[in-house]
Amino acid sequence: GEDVEQSLFLSVREGDSSVINCTYTDSSSTYLYWYKQEPGAGLQLLTYIFSNMDMKQDQRLTVLLNKKDKHLSLRIADTQTGDSAIYFCAVYSGGYQKVTFGIGTKLQVIP
Amino acid sequence: NAGVTQTPKFRILKIGQSMTLQCTQDMNHNYMYWYRQDPGMGLKLIYYSVGAGITDKGEVPNGYNVSRSTTEDFPLRLELAAPSQTSVYFCASSEALLSNQPQHFGDGTRLSIL
Repeated sequence: GEDVEQSLFLSVREGDSSVINCTYTDSSSTYLYWYKQEPGAGLQLLTYIFSNMDMKQDQRLTVLLNKKDKHLSLRIADTQTGDSAIYFCAVYSGGYQKVTFGIGTKLQVIP
Repeated sequence: NAGVTQTPKFRILKIGQSMTLQCTQDMNHNYMYWYRQDPGMGLKLIYYSVGAGITDKGEVPNGYNVSRSTTEDFPLRLELAAPSQTSVYFCASSEALLSNQPQHFGDGTRLSIL
């Protein structure tokens, strides 16, 4: 089955860019997502990318997809303290809603 | 707009007790899911449903049961609670199978089995 890996923790200074990385194993993955989880809350979809795209930009968020290396990244420009949260990479590889989630990267933004 | 509502938010159970985690959505979504989230782990799919009357097992279904009698409700049942079921449980729903439509998540139920 699909395996999705992320680093556990990232710390950045307010105003800097954050880059959260994710690798996956299934080359047939079609949709790749980034979710944000704030303390005590459920996951909220931030952005997604189709596997036929290399990049997607949405305001401060930039998603890069390297299909050859099966690598997905989320860049947050001008990181704010409100961006402190856990960020989950998730990959859909077909079948009935078989979305595989990574373990989540905790982003700490230092004022 | 309520979205996905889970109750209760917190619960402590004794080993061997049973309980039902409630989940309801008001978006008329056909697809609903139950996940558990353990510390340092990603979300694991317990059960899912593609419509009223249809449910299927996910990755970690043992010890759980579900039912889907209406489009809105998707309760998760623990029959004999075990310490290994201590976790945070999330219910989610989505409009479409191929997910350029996002899964909408509830705020979670934090369950401790002692």
